[in-house]
Amino acid sequence: DTAVSQTPKYLVTQMGNDKSIKCEQNLGHDTMYWYKQDSKKFLKIMFSYNNKELIINETVPNRFSPKSPDKAHLNLHINSLELGDSAVYFCASSQDRWAGATGETQYFGPGTRLLVL
Amino acid sequence: GESVGLHLPTLSVQEGDNSIINCAYSNSASDYFIWYKQESGKGPQFIIDIRSNMDKRQGQRVTVLLNKTVKHLSLQIAATQPGDSAVYFCAENNNAGNMLTFGGGTRLMVKP
Repeated sequence: DTAVSQTPKYLVTQMGNDKSIKCEQNLGHDTMYWYKQDSKKFLKIMFSYNNKELIINETVPNRFSPKSPDKAHLNLHINSLELGDSAVYFCASSQDRWAGATGETQYFGPGTRLLVL
Repeated sequence: GESVGLHLPTLSVQEGDNSIINCAYSNSASDYFIWYKQESGKGPQFIIDIRSNMDKRQGQRVTVLLNKTVKHLSLQIAATQPGDSAVYFCAENNNAGNMLTFGGGTRLMVKP
């Protein structure tokens, strides 16, 4: 079974549209994350949720709205898509919210490749 | 601001040789570091980690070295194989300990 899964894997859309990316983890983890990876492979955290509570929001435009219906799911909704939103979006999860406090690492999903035309 | 290895250099090695991938960090308060491997079309995958109270840690064919004096982290891969071809990222935890900051990555290419 896939530990962290994302849908869709590919997303091609027009500028101005609204789209959602879904993420689910079956690891029983308490914390989930969204990362954005640009064309130069730079990986930057966007959000983190712990038990459905937002704990990290790294100055992401408010067109991006994460939603966590339960601790196994963290979805990302993007309004009014812009060309600069084209990237690969990774969901990840970890047991604990403290990076490294218990030697816990983050497990990443396969990524969603978003292309805005 | 604080940064972890901002560039994406490429390291090309011959199959069977040892590889050394380097990472510089600037947050002296970081106490936990991780190396991730990202294969083409996939998400990053944990390789090995190290705490700041250690200077070396070994795994299977991989060794991580931490030099806190010069804020340098390295990943050594022994007997590099074609399957090791990927982008490798170092990451460090932030001052609050609740977030990982990733470096820019290094692409490792293994020549048969």
